[in-house]
Formats: sequence, structure tokens, C-alpha cells
Amino acid sequence: DIQMTQTTSSLSASLGDRVTISCSASQGNSNYLNWYQQKPDGTVKLLIYYTSSLHSGVPSRFSGSGSGTDYSLTISNLEPEDIATYYCQQYSKLPYTFGGGTKLEIK
Amino acid sequence: EVQLQQSGPELVKPGASVKISCKASGYTFTDYNMHWVKQSHGKSLEWIGYIYPYNGGTAYNQKFKSKATLTVDNSSSTAYMELRSLTSEDSAVYYCARDGDGNYPYFDYWGQGTTLTVSS
Repeated sequence: DIQMTQTTSSLSASLGDRVTISCSASQGNSNYLNWYQQKPDGTVKLLIYYTSSLHSGVPSRFSGSGSGTDYSLTISNLEPEDIATYYCQQYSKLPYTFGGGTKLEIK
Repeated sequence: EVQLQQSGPELVKPGASVKISCKASGYTFTDYNMHWVKQSHGKSLEWIGYIYPYNGGTAYNQKFKSKATLTVDNSSSTAYMELRSLTSEDSAVYYCARDGDGNYPYFDYWGQGTTLTVSS
């Protein structure tokens, strides 16, 4: 299985900050990488698919980048509603696998 | 508006089985794969498998192949996941999620989650 690693399990930032969350894959996965947001109440939403494509309705302050084994999600101008846990997920090979998550908190 | 409405919390005894439902609305149910994801308490997400409602075709994570069975009822636009021989390790929140693109899958809409507790 492809292992997805989010080395930062929690992150504290101030409102208005630019935040970058990283994710690495145990093998190259051809940019087949998605990002999800899970709110404290358990609600899960798709943010970014295919590395950098913004899902419909997602604010433009969210962006994704990367290639090969290293990917990142950037939130520019952090807002209170961005408090959540963020997960990367690969779909290059079955089984699809998720990173361990990065919990974002307000400083 | 796409919505996935899951069944309510379950409390079941070890060794029993449970069937969780996910009722879809706002789109053509048979056009999109439906995935299931497990989240153990305080942990990350695990992909269980998916079903293609059009023909009932399935794919499973090998880890869950003997644990989960995915089915659908197209007449009611509902997907089901049955979990059997339950143990405390199966206690978790289970999500259904629609696949936005079967060739390059991403889970574009999620249910609210169903909490399963396995306890005597």
C-alpha cells in the first residue's frame, strides 16, 4: 500500500496568516492527490482534487501544489472557519490511502 | 443539491452484524460510485471500498474484504454497508462518500457519518 505521511500533526497559526500543510507519499503517485477538510463536528468536505484543482464552492484562499511524492495545501489569509483537520489522500493505486491528518488551530 | 443521509448510531454486541445505510439525493444515483470510509476514534481515515450502483460492481480494501459487504437499492437510491463478526476494533465512525469521477476518483460529497459502538 502507498503510505501517506503528514509529518505535522498539529499546527497553530494566527488569523490572516498563510499556512502550508505538507504531505508525502511513499512512492510517486502521478499527482493523483486530493485534500479534505474535517470540521470538529465530523463534517468532511473535499477541497482540492488532482493536486491543484479547486472543488466547486471552495474559497479561492485554498490552493494545492506538488508532484512526485511531495504535495502541499496552502491556505492564504487564515479565517476562523478554517479551524479543522486536513487530510491528504492518494488515488494512484488501490487501496486508496489517507495521511494521518494535520489539525489546524488558531494561535 | 447533492445530499447523503446516513442512518443513525448503532450499539451492537460483539459477534453480531450491522447494516448501515446511506440515502442519496440530488443526483442520478446510478451514475456515480459510492465509497465507504472508516474513522476510528481520534484516528485518520481508512478506505473500505466502493460500489458502482449501475451494475453492483465492487472493489474492496483487502483489509476489509472479510469484514464488509457493499450493496445498493437503486429503487430508493440507497447504499448499504454490512459489517459482520463485530469486535471492539470495529467501533468507529463510518462515512459514505460519492465519487465525483470514477476514472480519477475524488470524494466530492460525504455523509454525516454513522457511529458504531461494539460493546456487550
